[in-house]
Amino acid sequence: SYELTQPPSVSVSPGQTARITCSGDALSKKYAYWYQQKSGQAPVLVIHEDSKRPSGIPERFSGSSSGTMATLTISGAQVQDEADYYCSSTDSSGNHRVFGTGTKVTVL
Amino acid sequence: QVHLVESGGGVVQPGRSLRLSCAASGFTFSSHGMHWVRQAPGKGLEWVAVIWFDGTNKYYVDSVKGRFTISRDNSKNMLYLQMNSLSAEDTAVYYCAREGLWPDSGLDSWGQGTLVTVSS
Repeated sequence: SYELTQPPSVSVSPGQTARITCSGDALSKKYAYWYQQKSGQAPVLVIHEDSKRPSGIPERFSGSSSGTMATLTISGAQVQDEADYYCSSTDSSGNHRVFGTGTKVTVL
Repeated sequence: QVHLVESGGGVVQPGRSLRLSCAASGFTFSSHGMHWVRQAPGKGLEWVAVIWFDGTNKYYVDSVKGRFTISRDNSKNMLYLQMNSLSAEDTAVYYCAREGLWPDSGLDSWGQGTLVTVSS
């Protein structure tokens, strides 16, 4: 089965930059997606197609991908950005989605 | 405004069945692929299944293949997940999610989820 690996946690001070990585073989050929999930809430799409930001998502969220690693960057992280973040992609067939292991971002 | 509301969750004994529903509103349901994603208590997200906009193709994660069936009724704006032979490992919050209109646009809208607990 296909796996996406993320660090369990990232901690930053308010105003600093948080970077979350996601590694998986298929990322070299498939897009990465990023979802934010705040405590007790449903996930929200924050990045699609490696680096595109849906409408309504603040500019401080950006994404990039190179080789087998994708990165979500929160520039000038704010307290309200505290959440679990999940990367996602598809398998080689493009028919099955997979989520990463998730990263808890703490801003304090 | 896009609205997805799941229902049908509850407590069910191992080996029994349950059908989840997802009522969609605020968009042209028949134009979008739809997914089920689950999250076990305290765990991460797990993709479960997808159904194409017209219902012609369906795909499942290996752990539910042969036990779960995703379906939709575009005339009623409804998405379903029939879950058979349930086990404790299926205990989770189940979310329905909409695939964006354009290819590769991601899961751009999610419901609030419905909790399924498999326990004797």
